[in-house]
Amino acid sequence: DVKVTQSSRYLVKRTGEKVFLECVQDMDHENMFWYRQDPGLGLRLIYFSYDVKMKEKGDIPEGYSVSREKKERFSLILESASTNQTSMYLCASSFNPGQGDPANYGYTFGSGTRLTVV
Amino acid sequence: AQSVTQLGSHVSVSEGALVLLRCNYSSSVPPYLFWYVQYPNQGLQLLLKYTTGATLVKGINGFEAEFNKSQTSFHLRKPSVHISDTAEYFCAVSEVTSGTYKYIFGTGTRLKVLA
Repeated sequence: DVKVTQSSRYLVKRTGEKVFLECVQDMDHENMFWYRQDPGLGLRLIYFSYDVKMKEKGDIPEGYSVSREKKERFSLILESASTNQTSMYLCASSFNPGQGDPANYGYTFGSGTRLTVV
Repeated sequence: AQSVTQLGSHVSVSEGALVLLRCNYSSSVPPYLFWYVQYPNQGLQLLLKYTTGATLVKGINGFEAEFNKSQTSFHLRKPSVHISDTAEYFCAVSEVTSGTYKYIFGTGTRLKVLA
């Protein structure tokens, strides 16, 4: 069964801490994404990566950075956690359409990490 | 840039009733379209997708959606809902940035099925 695995389901961190959220996929997908999900706001894209060591800003990159040193792993870093970064964080991966069976288009999501910053 | 509008942030229906969840997108170019479902404290799971071909798409758990190019819509329906369908539903549409396909999500519709 194909998977996107996020390292933690729940995290509690203190204001000012550096926080690492890890995501690993086993589907050989080129693209990986980090979203945050907040009630009433849906999913907002933080960063994405289309290749190893490549990254692009999404809609809300401020206060975050990412790292992709290996194809299967995409890390989200909160440089100095703040209370307004309390949220559900979702990792996803995908192929680009045109690269294989359309049945495989779309994201595969991890189970999410609920981060609370106190 | 693409945008996705889901009308109705909360919908309540009785078990066995028909449910229709609405989704409209902004692009005039036919995109790839998706519906995802999120059960409490879980990630998002793909319900169905439109990529090409037949405009009526059938997905898991008895859900279906119809792509309407002229109305730029991709509404989700189920003829007879079950209590286990209580969840949040997200519509998503593709957009290309830097040669990468990413997906723009609506703000979600929380469906509650009443006994």
